[in-house]
Amino acid sequence: DAKTTQPPSMDCAEGRAANLPCNHSTISGNEYVYWYRQIHSQGPQYIIHGLKNNETNEMASLIITEDRKSSTLILPHATLRDTAVYYCIVRVHNYGQNFVFGPGTRLSVLP
Amino acid sequence: DAMVIQNPRYQVTQFGKPVTLSCSQTLNHNVMYWYQQKSSQAPKLLFHYYDKDFNNEADTPDNFQSRRPNTSFCFLDIRSPGLGDAAMYLCATSGGGPHTAKNIQYFGAGTRLSVL
Repeated sequence: DAKTTQPPSMDCAEGRAANLPCNHSTISGNEYVYWYRQIHSQGPQYIIHGLKNNETNEMASLIITEDRKSSTLILPHATLRDTAVYYCIVRVHNYGQNFVFGPGTRLSVLP
Repeated sequence: DAMVIQNPRYQVTQFGKPVTLSCSQTLNHNVMYWYQQKSSQAPKLLFHYYDKDFNNEADTPDNFQSRRPNTSFCFLDIRSPGLGDAAMYLCATSGGGPHTAKNIQYFGAGTRLSVL
């Protein structure tokens, strides 16, 4: 079973920041938080990952709470092309622990 | 620029007729994965290869097999497709090893299988 819980759906106005929450209250010390998204009829796309520090790349920012029990993915200026299902996944960094996808959050960016 | 390539994008087969889906990668990654994604559901891992070592998920039906003849290619064989096997099949790769960057999975666009 997935170790994360996410809201099933969210809306965001185009040009505004999209803040997608994820709860992972049972995360263990060696588990990372990964975010992927899946645009309709395409394969999942890697966005960002982190352990305990906040992370930023060209796509998004990841904010992890100090107790690591929850995190937020931030898309700073959402566009219509960001409409997708966003998956939050926790796993250890070793390849042998495979991704368990939960239901994710369906983000709709509205014009 | 596609790094994980799945062919074909759409496949139609008949009930009980064996079908093979293919995946190739240009990333020279050690690990290749096959996922099944049914409509409106999240992807579910079927199995993966680390180099030539095959790792099956406990609940993957025997009807699903895989082959990896070399680093670049991996195949998913469905021996006797049933109506319940209609789904999107996703191939992914990762570098393997302990470093986190090597464990980012890169997915292909998927093959959508229909069973008539």
